[in-house]
Amino acid sequence: DIQMTQSPSSLSASVGDRITITCRASQTIRASLNWYQQKPGKAPKLLIYATSSLQSGVPSRFSGSGSGTDSTLTITNLQPEDFATYYCQQSHAIPFTFGQGTRLEIK
Amino acid sequence: QVQLVESGGGVVQPGRSLRLSCAASGSSFSSHGMHWVRQAPGKGLEWVAVISYDGSDYYYADSVKGRFTISRDNSKNTLSLQMNSLRSEDTAVYYCASQGYGSFYYLDYWGQGTLVTVSS
Repeated sequence: DIQMTQSPSSLSASVGDRITITCRASQTIRASLNWYQQKPGKAPKLLIYATSSLQSGVPSRFSGSGSGTDSTLTITNLQPEDFATYYCQQSHAIPFTFGQGTRLEIK
Repeated sequence: QVQLVESGGGVVQPGRSLRLSCAASGSSFSSHGMHWVRQAPGKGLEWVAVISYDGSDYYYADSVKGRFTISRDNSKNTLSLQMNSLRSEDTAVYYCASQGYGSFYYLDYWGQGTLVTVSS
């Protein structure tokens, strides 16, 4: 199975900040990397697919990049509604494993 | 747009069975691969199973292989997960999710989840 490692596991930031979350795969995943946002008690929401494609309706302050085994989610100009937990997921090979999550908290 | 609503969760004893359902409405259900993903209390997301748009292909996580069965009925726009020989570690919120179109796989629509608690 492909292991996904996210860093950091938690992060404190302020409204207006720019933050970056990193996801590393244990083997190449050929751009098959997705990012989800989850708020407490809610289902995950797709933000970014195929490493850098913005899902319809997602604000442009969210962006993704990466290649090979390393991918990054960047959020610029953090808004109050962005404080949540973020997960990466590889969809290159079954099982479609998730990272352990990054909890983004208000500083 | 696809709307997904899970049902069938509840409290069940270890070793017993439970069947989850996911009712789909909106965009053409029969065109989408479908997944189950679960989340144990306070934990991260775990992918469980996938079934192809026509039900001909399906795959499972090792943790549920041989115990869980994913199926779909496109005539009823319904996805199911039959869970047998349940264990305490199967306790989780179970989400169904649809697979987006294109060259890459991703889960674009999710249900609200249904809680399964395995306890004596």
